[in-house]
Amino acid sequence: DTGVSQNPRHKITKRGQNVTFRCDPISEHNRLYWYRQTLGQGPEFLTYFQNEAQLEKSRLLSDRFSAERPKGSFSTLEIQRTEQGDSAMYLCASSFWTSGSETQYFGPGTRLLVL
Amino acid sequence: EDKVVQSPLSLVVHEGDTVTLNCSYEVTNFRSLLWYKQEKKAPTFLFMLTSSGIEKKSGRLSSILDKKELFSILNITATQTGDSAVYLCAVDGNQFYFGTGTSLTVIP
Repeated sequence: DTGVSQNPRHKITKRGQNVTFRCDPISEHNRLYWYRQTLGQGPEFLTYFQNEAQLEKSRLLSDRFSAERPKGSFSTLEIQRTEQGDSAMYLCASSFWTSGSETQYFGPGTRLLVL
Repeated sequence: EDKVVQSPLSLVVHEGDTVTLNCSYEVTNFRSLLWYKQEKKAPTFLFMLTSSGIEKKSGRLSSILDKKELFSILNITATQTGDSAVYLCAVDGNQFYFGTGTSLTVIP
């Protein structure tokens, strides 16, 4: 399978615990995006990387959230001290960006439930 | 403030009907507009539009962009039950902005 993959697919955790999600993009893609989607809403942008550089973070991304892409390939998204409001689907997407426009391809998502 | 607005929010049609979904936007540094189909999983890519007035087609789906009036439409002809999904519009500007989506239900 050469698409975007995400692990785990589901995560249930207790409030206050830390969680980490992983995204493996399509191999030749240089950009990687993280989104959060709650029921009935479109995906909300969280952050993105071009290669290993984190170029932008949304103000939705509080201090409890951190993302890395250390070698410009896979990325991790960590949420510290989870809250019930963090319950959502976390989507990763990747694209090949040169100049001009790009098309993002999404992974299957990680569904987080914070109890 | 940059935004993407989709209408209608939901739509119920019978198989064989034609539907038109709307997406309007106000986004700084517009580069492209994308349509995605989302069932009970991550969105899947349908179309990317960058130029006004050029229709993109894929089977029964087609889409067109009007950069002067800042909107796009997605048409689905001869709808089938498998078309039931949420259709998301996204605009690539300084970052990607998504609309809330249009929930389409096609009943037999």
